[in-house]
Amino acid sequence: DARVTQTPRHKVTEMGQEVTMRCQPILGHNTVFWYRQTMMQGLELLAYFRNRAPLDDSGMPKDRFSAEMPDATLATLKIQPSEPRDSAVYFCASGLEAGGPETQYFGPGTRLLVL
Amino acid sequence: AQSVTQLGSHVSVSEGALVLLRCNYSSSVPPYLFWYVQYPNQGLQLLLKYTTGATLVKGINGFEAEFKKSETSFHLTKPSAHMSDAAEYFCAVRRGGGSNYKLTFGKGTLLTVNP
Repeated sequence: DARVTQTPRHKVTEMGQEVTMRCQPILGHNTVFWYRQTMMQGLELLAYFRNRAPLDDSGMPKDRFSAEMPDATLATLKIQPSEPRDSAVYFCASGLEAGGPETQYFGPGTRLLVL
Repeated sequence: AQSVTQLGSHVSVSEGALVLLRCNYSSSVPPYLFWYVQYPNQGLQLLLKYTTGATLVKGINGFEAEFKKSETSFHLTKPSAHMSDAAEYFCAVRRGGGSNYKLTFGKGTLLTVNP
């Protein structure tokens, strides 16, 4: 049963520290999404990659957030420096875009708490 | 732009009762519509989706939803609730056609099932 994996599952850090979240998409998928979930804002799209190329990062605060795909099996989301308002659950999702509306498969999320 | 409104942030039903979770959408073009379920401390899992064709869509775990263009609705139903259905449910919309990838999620409806 193929799944999206995310590490770490939980992260507690202090304000100003760098945070790196990792995602392994399902093998063969060519799209990767990063979402943030908070009580106030719900689910927000932060970034979107297709075939490892970043196509949309308009949802990310540019000054502190960065997303990359070093290879097809790894996507990273980095926050530097972190702030308390970044506390949220961060989800990675992957899909196979082949000319139709692909289904996005979500990972279990990284629960981040910035003190 | 697309938007999704889920009526009722919390719905409570008795085991065996009908489940009805409401979703209305706004889209300038024919939409693709999705329902996702999120169990505690897990990622989102696709329940069902509507793209084209039959307006009554059947999903996993006995859920179904009907696309009603005239009412701009995509309500989720299940004839008989089970304790295991307790979770949060998210409706999402995406622009139809082409390679439009962006899912816009509703705020979610928490379903409680009472014994």
